[in-house]
Amino acid sequence: AQSVTQPDIHITVSEGASLELRCNYSYGATPYLFWYVQSPGQGLQLLLKYFSGDTLVQGIKGFEAEFKRSQSSFNLRKPSVHWSDAAEYFCAVGAPSSGTYKYIFGTGTRLKVLA
Amino acid sequence: DADVTQTPRNRITKTGKRIMLECSQTKGHDRMYWYRQDPGLGLRLIYYSFDVKDINKGEISDGYSVSRQAQAKFSLSLESAIPNQTALYFCATSDPSSAQGVTDTQYFGPGTRLTVL
Repeated sequence: AQSVTQPDIHITVSEGASLELRCNYSYGATPYLFWYVQSPGQGLQLLLKYFSGDTLVQGIKGFEAEFKRSQSSFNLRKPSVHWSDAAEYFCAVGAPSSGTYKYIFGTGTRLKVLA
Repeated sequence: DADVTQTPRNRITKTGKRIMLECSQTKGHDRMYWYRQDPGLGLRLIYYSFDVKDINKGEISDGYSVSRQAQAKFSLSLESAIPNQTALYFCATSDPSSAQGVTDTQYFGPGTRLTVL
């Protein structure tokens, strides 16, 4: 069955430090991959997505993610974190399957930024 | 004004009560969704609707029902609320980019925090 795993429940980084949030998926073919961000008290907002082509994708707010087929991963990165990046981050997978809708969210990683 | 609105934003109710959560959107999207978010479990799909005449169960539909009153409105009902339905509920919309919706970008409302005592 299709699944998506975010191994880190919480991550704490200092402002200005680099960030990498991990996402692994399980699917027989190349899935459609998304990263969303949920700021406190708000709904989710799309950061970036990958469907095909260049495996390094750029998103909003200075985020990027890299698709690695060999590792079934789609990790989110940012070179220098800002205090306003404190939020919860969700990886999601769109996995086509016959006759059914499959758009699966991971359990989320909560990012804390230290001043 | 927000593109996807949810009412109420917060609700406290008692076990056995019927509750309706409402979602409205001005994005003109055909597809709408209801999710619940629980700590450590992420978002789980309750129901989805790809157009006004299309209603489908998600992975956790038991205890819930929905109504798609118009393209812009999608309501979620708890017929007889129970404490384990205490959660944060999100409505979302998407503009079709694939038949199965798996490439759609979803746009979320601000959420409704429901507490069932």
